[in-house]
Amino acid sequence: EVQLVESGGGLVQPGGSLRLSCEASGFVLGNHEMNWVRQSPGKGLEWLSYINAGGTKSHYTASVTGRFTVSRDNAKNSLYLQLNSLRVEDSAIYFCAREGGVAGFNFDLWGQGARVTVSS
Amino acid sequence: QSALTQPRSVSGSPGQSVTISCTGTSNDIDYYEYVSWYQQHPGRAPRLLIYDVTKRPSGVPDRFSGSKSGNTASLTISGLQIEDESDYYCCSYAGSYTYVFGTGTTVTVL
Repeated sequence: EVQLVESGGGLVQPGGSLRLSCEASGFVLGNHEMNWVRQSPGKGLEWLSYINAGGTKSHYTASVTGRFTVSRDNAKNSLYLQLNSLRVEDSAIYFCAREGGVAGFNFDLWGQGARVTVSS
Repeated sequence: QSALTQPRSVSGSPGQSVTISCTGTSNDIDYYEYVSWYQQHPGRAPRLLIYDVTKRPSGVPDRFSGSKSGNTASLTISGLQIEDESDYYCCSYAGSYTYVFGTGTTVTVL
């Protein structure tokens, strides 16, 4: 089955760190650009970061630049998001999403999400 | 990058058509032909409905259609069905490998 499965979410104190993982199955992760998207409780979707297929290029939304780092290990068919200096407002469900189609620019496969709660 | 603007809610009776608008700027929707739409049921991951403004992935019913004019994109659901009651989000490429999502619209089937 083609799917993405996130893990690593949990409860962390403000200022703390967490590492999210996204494991791909049923397809070769290394053939796809990947993104992270989050959704705060009761709110809309927010794009966070992009990484190219080879892992050599990444981009972030302004609110997480310098605090979050995306990486990947194509040999392990896995994508990661390192979350540092966490704030209460980072509490959300974090989704990994695959760019689809010939040219990309859309998200055709999503994981089920990993819940991150930042609270003292 | 500010979120794209969508109406908070739209509603319609079964069989009717509804249209959801998504307003951006000259830096995203107006500039790029990379608008996509997603359906999200409560507690579930989003599902791709439309990509590249008008294209439908395989498996998406043809009652879902997309369009764009200037800085506004639209999703139309023709022949509304009960299972279409859900949240819908637009998304546009915004250059330099960044994206922006819409504020989201809840569709209610009366």
